[in-house]
Amino acid sequence: DAGVIQSPRHEVTEMGQEVTLRCKPISGHNSLFWYRQTMMRGLELLIYFNNNVPIDDSGMPEDRFSAKMPNASFSTLKIQPSEPRDSAVYFCASTLRGTTNEKLFFGSGTQLSVL
Amino acid sequence: AQSVAQPEDQVNVAEGNPLTVKCTYSVSGNPYLFWYVQYPNRGLQFLLKYITGDNLVKGSYGFEAEFNKSQTSFHLKKPSALVSDSALYFCAVRALREGSYIPTFGRGTSLIVHP
Repeated sequence: DAGVIQSPRHEVTEMGQEVTLRCKPISGHNSLFWYRQTMMRGLELLIYFNNNVPIDDSGMPEDRFSAKMPNASFSTLKIQPSEPRDSAVYFCASTLRGTTNEKLFFGSGTQLSVL
Repeated sequence: AQSVAQPEDQVNVAEGNPLTVKCTYSVSGNPYLFWYVQYPNRGLQFLLKYITGDNLVKGSYGFEAEFNKSQTSFHLKKPSALVSDSALYFCAVRALREGSYIPTFGRGTSLIVHP
């Protein structure tokens, strides 16, 4: 298995532009998480999906952020419009919830820079 | 609410010496505890977990962690540090009960092993 795949690895954009981050979870996993990592705030949970349904989006900072999971093998995190304070590393993680072997598998992240 | 505290931003240790990375937690009910490691420009990787049973849990790369219920701690340890262990280490907790599936991560501790 290739693991959790995120794209792009790096994204540089200008303030006001739309940004779309993509994630392919591990096949067979039923839960997906989006995290944001910054030096100031550490690792923050943005949103959690279970069986493609958003369960907890309380971590989404504001309406500029939206996430979708149209099927079990794909999710997107969109920022529109982007702002410099959105600059961070965004991680996607997946797991098979409900098993004793539950642990998160993280992608390599997307380094986002908003100028 | 559940929370994790990693009291040290950075731990320095000489190669060959034992290392300890501290973690304390707060959760309602029994905890499900994890340690993850993050190498530069990579996502977090699972190291070990505790659910029940023996308080000393062994994980990847020679790491182990000791669960102490009375002190609500789950410190990460290794008898002999390697330079290659230098990385960012995250402790995480979630409640071990139905309906609680989102782990809470600590801020992370940077481990630096000196040659």
